[in-house]
Amino acid sequence: QVQLQQSGPRLVRPSQTLSLTCGISGDSVSSNRAVWNWIRQSPSRGLEWLGRSYYRSRWHSNYALSGKGRIIINADTSKNQFSLQLRSVTPEDTAIYYCAREADAVSGAYDSWGQGTLVTVSS
Amino acid sequence: QSVLTQPPSASGTPGQRLSISCSGSSSNVGSSTVDWYQLLPGAAPKLLIHSDNQRPSGVPDRFSGSKSGTSASLAITGLQSEDEADYYCAAWDDTLYGRVFGGGTRVTVL
Repeated sequence: QVQLQQSGPRLVRPSQTLSLTCGISGDSVSSNRAVWNWIRQSPSRGLEWLGRSYYRSRWHSNYALSGKGRIIINADTSKNQFSLQLRSVTPEDTAIYYCAREADAVSGAYDSWGQGTLVTVSS
Repeated sequence: QSVLTQPPSASGTPGQRLSISCSGSSSNVGSSTVDWYQLLPGAAPKLLIHSDNQRPSGVPDRFSGSKSGTSASLAITGLQSEDEADYYCAAWDDTLYGRVFGGGTRVTVL
């Protein structure tokens, strides 16, 4: 049973960097049958994919074009976790942020999710 | 403005059959498998359907998915009060090279 545990600050000041971490149990961040994603949810935009990171002989990352170069997703194999950094945040980045596993076993769907972190961008 | 188009709301009475549409294009729904997620208040999204029409273990068979061309649908038969939730479709988009979601459909059980 895969479990994803999110951690990170819930309040971020405008123009600062939002940083969240997703700890993995029951799977490996280096698995060649999983992809690790960040997704957010807000009333105005619904669910929005931010990006992903995965290992296939080497590390790969893909990011949403809407992120405009502000997103970085990294994996930490020593801690079996992956992280999200969103730079230069504005109040429009206020949302519930989720980490999620994209699994080969379900043809790339998100079968495991973190508990979600409500991040508020405000001064 | 979401890449995939869903109706913002749908409603039905207990026991009724409800269908939610998800319309896309040849770069997403037409060339990729579609997934469906259920969002209950205060809970993380739950995978209901993957690969257009496959239910993960534990998902009631009241939920079913289908796809034709660039449109997909989620059907709920025997609607129950606990089915009140937001439902989202998702697919990979080859042009954007990323996952895209529908705008979500809020289901109300009358």
